[in-house]
Amino acid sequence: AQSVAQPEDQVNVAEGNPLTVKCTYSVSGNPYLFWYVQYPNRGLQFLLKYITGDNLVKGSYGFEAEFNKSQTSFHLKKPSALVSDSALYFCAVMGGSARQLTFGSGTQLTVLP
Amino acid sequence: DGGITQSPKYLFRKEGQNVTLSCEQNLNHDAMYWYRQDPGQGLRLIYYSQIVNDFQKGDIAEGYSVSREKKESFPLTVTSAQKNPTAFYLCASSLAPGASASNQPQHFGDGTRLSIL
Repeated sequence: AQSVAQPEDQVNVAEGNPLTVKCTYSVSGNPYLFWYVQYPNRGLQFLLKYITGDNLVKGSYGFEAEFNKSQTSFHLKKPSALVSDSALYFCAVMGGSARQLTFGSGTQLTVLP
Repeated sequence: DGGITQSPKYLFRKEGQNVTLSCEQNLNHDAMYWYRQDPGQGLRLIYYSQIVNDFQKGDIAEGYSVSREKKESFPLTVTSAQKNPTAFYLCASSLAPGASASNQPQHFGDGTRLSIL
């Protein structure tokens, strides 16, 4: 079975500071990893994905994520946070023979002005 | 513009009533999905369909039913057997998760919020 853990329910960061939202995963075989963002009363928007290749993946709105196979992690990062980045962030994984995504429980990011 | 349309945005169910949530996509995607979102629990898969006239149960299918008569449409019925239906329901679609497409992201609608009267 595949699983995703987002250990922080809430992350607060000051505007202009770097941000990190943590994600660890468990799958059999090679993982496909995704980050999504959700604004209030909206659906999820795709940010970025890791399939293979470079461990540092760049995505939308200045976000990037680093794949670390030995630590089974895929943390989301941004060098300089904006107030408009405040939202709910979900990590998701698909691996091995699975044909469905498994989502983490989400991390609420608040960027303080 | 291509995308996924969910309707209605808000829905209220009376005791013993079945209600149907609509999901339509014009992305020409083969696969469609229904998720339930509860606070602090992330998204849980209810049903999914990889091709017309075929669908599979997800992790929490009890009390729900679906149909896939057309490629563009994947309606979800919340039956009276679902005792705790209050939640935010999200529909998604993607290219069929075959060997070459399992890395494609899912596209989401803006959800339907279901409440009990």
